[in-house]
Amino acid sequence: TQLLEQSPQFLSIQEGENLTVYCNSSSVFSSLQWYRQEPGEGPVLLVTVVTGGEVKKLKRLTFQFGDARKDSSLHITAAQTGDTGLYLCAAKSGGSYIPTFGRGTSLIVHP
Amino acid sequence: GAGVSQTPSNKVTEKGKYVELRCDPISGHTALYWYRQSLGQGPEFLIYFQGTGAADDSGLPNDRFFAVRPEGSVSTLKIQRTERGDSAVYLCASSLRGYGYEQYFGPGTRLTVT
Repeated sequence: TQLLEQSPQFLSIQEGENLTVYCNSSSVFSSLQWYRQEPGEGPVLLVTVVTGGEVKKLKRLTFQFGDARKDSSLHITAAQTGDTGLYLCAAKSGGSYIPTFGRGTSLIVHP
Repeated sequence: GAGVSQTPSNKVTEKGKYVELRCDPISGHTALYWYRQSLGQGPEFLIYFQGTGAADDSGLPNDRFFAVRPEGSVSTLKIQRTERGDSAVYLCASSLRGYGYEQYFGPGTRLTVT
């Protein structure tokens, strides 16, 4: 079973700061997804990356898939209080349709 | 349009009791997934339906857990002889098709076994 390690586990920052969270594994993935989950809600998909080295931007969020497709990072520029939430990465390998989730990074952005 | 809905939102039950958790997927979505999320963890896969049939139930932890989707729409997750370790948020997700399609999650049912 593939294991996804997310770091840091917790992050508390001030509004306006930049941050990066990581998702790492020893396995190669066919695709990797990032989700954000708010308290009392289910995860909401932010992005899917499939190509090694791929970089995708979503407003102030930048997602990168590692060249070897074993790791990914999420960078947030000028964090806002609305970015507060649990950031989860999820990956699929081979022909599996079932994603494996990491434990998440809990982000709190203070005003 | 309406998203995935789950009922009840909260369920408190005593150890040993039977519970049913319901999921209403997005209309027209053929694929439905159940996950379990314990405190401080990411969602853990339980079972995947394609239409009415369980295409993959490898994530069900033991035979106390069972799920059905008789008409290919609403699904019910059933847990017999509940244990305190079953306490978690049970998430349901649906997607238009299976592999490669975006999963839309419901808000979950928080199950507490006392």
